[in-house]
Amino acid sequence: DIQMTQSPSTLSASVGDRVTITCRASQSFSTWLAWYQQKPGKPPKLLIYKTSSLESGVPSRFSGSGSGTEFTLTISSLQPDDFATYYCQQYSTYTWTFGQGTKVEIK
Amino acid sequence: EVQLVESGGGLVQPGGSLRLSCAASGFTVSNNYMTWVRQAPGKGLEWVSAIYSGGSTYYADSVKGRFTISRDSSKNTLYLQMDSLTAEDTAVYYCARTADGKNYWGQGTLVTVSS
Repeated sequence: DIQMTQSPSTLSASVGDRVTITCRASQSFSTWLAWYQQKPGKPPKLLIYKTSSLESGVPSRFSGSGSGTEFTLTISSLQPDDFATYYCQQYSTYTWTFGQGTKVEIK
Repeated sequence: EVQLVESGGGLVQPGGSLRLSCAASGFTVSNNYMTWVRQAPGKGLEWVSAIYSGGSTYYADSVKGRFTISRDSSKNTLYLQMDSLTAEDTAVYYCARTADGKNYWGQGTLVTVSS
């Protein structure tokens, strides 16, 4: 299985900050990487799919990039609604794997 | 509109069984790659099982031999039969559909295994 290592596990930031979350894979794969936002008691919300495609309705301050074994989610200017937990997910194999999550907290 | 609605969760004793359902609308379950993912309380996301449109099934090692994924075309519904449940199976269970390079998730159903 492809293991996904997400960092940092917790991130303290202020409104307006640029935030970057990284996922590193145990082996290289192409394209099939997604990012989700999750708030307590809610299902994961898709933000980015196929590494860099923005899901419909998601603000353009969210962007994804990467290839091979390193992928990033960037929030260009953190907004109050963005304080949540974020997960990366590889779906290049039938056994999906997820990063451990990054909790974005108010500084 | 594409929709996935899970049901069947609840409280079950260790060693017991439960069958989860995922009712789909807006697309045909049997023509899609369908997955179950779970999330234990306060924990991350864990892939559980998947079924391809052709019928091939796959399971995480943690549930292999205890869980069975299936689908009913007449009801357009995905199922997860869970047997020999333990406390470690306590989680919210989500079904998901993969299409157009994206994964669409349901709202989840909570399974609690406790005596």
